[in-house]
Amino acid sequence: GAVVSQHPSRVICKSGTSVKIECRSLDFQATTMFWYRQFPKQSLMLMATSNEGSKATYEQGVEKDKFLINHASLTLSTLTVTSAHPEDSSFYICSAPVRGWTDTQYFGPGTRLTVL
Amino acid sequence: GESVGLHLPTLSVQEGDNSIINCAYSNSASDYFIWYKQESGKGPQFIIDIRSNMDKRQGQRVTVLLNKTVKHLSLQIAATQPGDSAVYFCAEINMNRDDKIIFGKGTRLHILP
Repeated sequence: GAVVSQHPSRVICKSGTSVKIECRSLDFQATTMFWYRQFPKQSLMLMATSNEGSKATYEQGVEKDKFLINHASLTLSTLTVTSAHPEDSSFYICSAPVRGWTDTQYFGPGTRLTVL
Repeated sequence: GESVGLHLPTLSVQEGDNSIINCAYSNSASDYFIWYKQESGKGPQFIIDIRSNMDKRQGQRVTVLLNKTVKHLSLQIAATQPGDSAVYFCAEINMNRDDKIIFGKGTRLHILP
């Protein structure tokens, strides 16, 4: 079945540094991918829609200059958290839609970001 | 019983009993609904889906019910097992507009031995 991977699974960084998170669709092409963040014991909040070959679409309240998204190919989207601060510590998850009999989305395993 | 915690409500169910997890969705234009299971530290996993032209769909040990009149969705898990312990999220999508998933708040299912 369709699989989405994320790298790294965990990252710890110092405040002020930038962190890049990769999201890959492993056996299918994804012109669109979605990025979510999830705080402990809370639901997933959509951050942005990553579009291959064009600019990402950000949800209201999400700083596009802080969360840079690049959809470089049909199988790769990256989220860069720039000048990370402790409040950016969260679980970041990507997903990609798969058209088929379920028309569902497959989620990556997530990336745990801890900013010290 | 059911209780509301700081963020996620928790449903405690005896092993072997049936579980019913409820969800209220927000957008009457949503036409596709999905239940996801999320175990600690992992991404959500697809459980079952239902389109708005249906009111019931059954899978293996799971059933989803949709009541569009009151914008209510439920997930029934038969013969709950320890491996069912997780947080369950309902999600809604407006397929005519985009693929954006709007997640519900989630319910933690706790299995009692």
